[in-house]
Amino acid sequence: LAKTTQPISMDSYEGQEVNITCSHNNIATNDYITWYQQFPSQGPRFIIQGYKTKVTNEVASLFIPADRKSSTLSLPRVSLSDTAVYYCLVGIPKAGAGSYQLTFGKGTKLSVIP
Amino acid sequence: KAGVTQTPRYLIKTRGQQVTLSCSPISGHRSVSWYQQTPGQGLQFLFEYFSETQRNKGNFPGRFSGRQFSNSRSEMNVSTLELGDSALYLCASSWTDSQETQYFGPGTRLLVL
Repeated sequence: LAKTTQPISMDSYEGQEVNITCSHNNIATNDYITWYQQFPSQGPRFIIQGYKTKVTNEVASLFIPADRKSSTLSLPRVSLSDTAVYYCLVGIPKAGAGSYQLTFGKGTKLSVIP
Repeated sequence: KAGVTQTPRYLIKTRGQQVTLSCSPISGHRSVSWYQQTPGQGLQFLFEYFSETQRNKGNFPGRFSGRQFSNSRSEMNVSTLELGDSALYLCASSWTDSQETQYFGPGTRLLVL
């Protein structure tokens, strides 16, 4: 059964680089891989999106290998305010339907320690 | 510009009742998606609407339905509520496709007693 898998939690000290990997062994061919950040009592907030190789914006980088079976969100020099839950979102093809199911990972709770 | 708004923010219902949740997308956005978030199952996709048509649907029973109006505002309805429907229901909007950057609202927290 196709699914997405992320580590449940991670701890990091302030100033360190954090890498969170999401495994998605069967994603839709033409689907993007998107990462979201969620704080308590808020809706998820877009961080970064990519299709293949590497994408970088002002807050994060996203690394996607050629087989697209995983993706890694990289947060450079985290601060206390980066403490949140991080989700990957991919499209998983539906069997026989010709469409896809948007599927979130279970989320990785990142705790940044002073 | 204003973000995605959802009403009501909190709701308490009893089993067997039905509920309607509302979502107003960011101005100009035509795609609206709904998600259910629970501690056990995480974020699960319910459905996506574009130009008043359901374009994609998740694996939820028929008790969960939705619609979209000509102004892109969307409603979600859950009939015959069950205890397990207690969750945070999130609405997200994007320009034309849920694969684009989605902007989420704060959610409606539904408690079924």
